[in-house]
Amino acid sequence: DQQVKQNSPSLSVQEGRISILNCDYTNSMFDYFLWYKKYPAEGPTFLISISSIKDKNEDGRFTVFLNKSAKHLSLHIVPSQPGDSAVYFCAASLMEYGNKLVFGAGTILRVKS
Amino acid sequence: EPEVTQTPSHQVTQMGQEVILRCVPISNHLYFYWYRQILGQKVEFLVSFYNNEISEKSEIFDDQFSVERPDGSNFTLKIRSTKLEDSAMYFCASTGAPYEQYFGPGTRLTVT
Repeated sequence: DQQVKQNSPSLSVQEGRISILNCDYTNSMFDYFLWYKKYPAEGPTFLISISSIKDKNEDGRFTVFLNKSAKHLSLHIVPSQPGDSAVYFCAASLMEYGNKLVFGAGTILRVKS
Repeated sequence: EPEVTQTPSHQVTQMGQEVILRCVPISNHLYFYWYRQILGQKVEFLVSFYNNEISEKSEIFDDQFSVERPDGSNFTLKIRSTKLEDSAMYFCASTGAPYEQYFGPGTRLTVT
């Protein structure tokens, strides 16, 4: 099942710089997209979401961009902090209550101080 | 801030034994889910539950699995006869509004 892909297994960024995490999807029925952050031995923590009627959503240091024609989304973290070091998962769904999330494989972000 | 809780944090069981994983979703949420993550693999959907019924289940969720909301707060996942390949992290999630799912810390299930 490759409906949601995160092609970069890891990313290393200097503290204070921008982190850009990418995600691609193949199922054009998806209309709701989410980013989760996960530390080892913890559950995924919801970060930010975007519906397909928007192309950008911002929450503090986190911005998600959606390019529907390319079936691509990205998460920007500015400025990156060492505490941002974690695994970041992209997930996609249908914008209806009760629908399952389809996850990407995750990208390990390391922010170096 | 309300959160999803799960017990136990780690369960070790022998192959063929029954296990019950427990979750307490966020209190005003109506939709509940179980996901699992085998080591090194993606987080995978198992089942969704609403109004005391299964809404959707994946191919993984076969007859060995069942879910129940035995009272107003708990949501359980039962595996009747565990296999080695059931070893994974099991995450419970719940959602109210709008559509974001909030996950618990997980139960690590080890089948020996």
